[in-house]
Amino acid sequence: QKEVEQNSGPLSVPEGAIASLNCTYSDRVSQSFFWYRQYSGKSPELIMSIYSNGDKEDGRFTAQLNKASQYVSLLIRDSQPSDSATYLCAVIRNFNKFYFGSGTKLNVKP
Amino acid sequence: EADIYQTPRYLVIGTGKKITLECSQTMGHDKMYWYQQDPGMELHLIHYSYGVNSTEKGDLSSESTVSRIRTEHFPLTLESARPSHTSQYLCASTGTGRDAFFGQGTRLTVV
Repeated sequence: QKEVEQNSGPLSVPEGAIASLNCTYSDRVSQSFFWYRQYSGKSPELIMSIYSNGDKEDGRFTAQLNKASQYVSLLIRDSQPSDSATYLCAVIRNFNKFYFGSGTKLNVKP
Repeated sequence: EADIYQTPRYLVIGTGKKITLECSQTMGHDKMYWYQQDPGMELHLIHYSYGVNSTEKGDLSSESTVSRIRTEHFPLTLESARPSHTSQYLCASTGTGRDAFFGQGTRLTVV
């Protein structure tokens, strides 16, 4: 079983819609959770981090964490074509060892 | 603003050559990581370090080696490059803030 599972997509949404990306993790003792965006051929860039249950909002992005169900999600409101990228979910456990999901490819169509 | 740097950005080298990929960060982070990523594929952790003189192998077996003599520097070495080593290598670091920041990556091609 993988540490972090994501649907590989692609997820296609029209411009202006809400994109919803989901991630599940296997180890209940995971402490910290992250969403990264990666454009093709580039390195990942951090979008959001979340450490406690509930929602965390930053601009058009909202991260949601449910530790009981072991899932993390990312909502992108008012999706733009520039949001088209691969979104990576990551978790920390074992003294800051990072585990990444395989990523979900998002296509935002104009 | 993340201050983590990788050099070179691109490297084309012949089979059998020894190479060192450099990674430096100026944030004072104690934890550093090397990931390998093929185009369109997922990140694989190949090495990590929790501090000076601390290095561990990651989940993906790699013929590369690393060292951590200084906090800010985490170089990766391949003693004898092979075409199977062709990939993108990404370095990351994290500190007490826990967010991990990535360098721009080194795209290695072994011919």
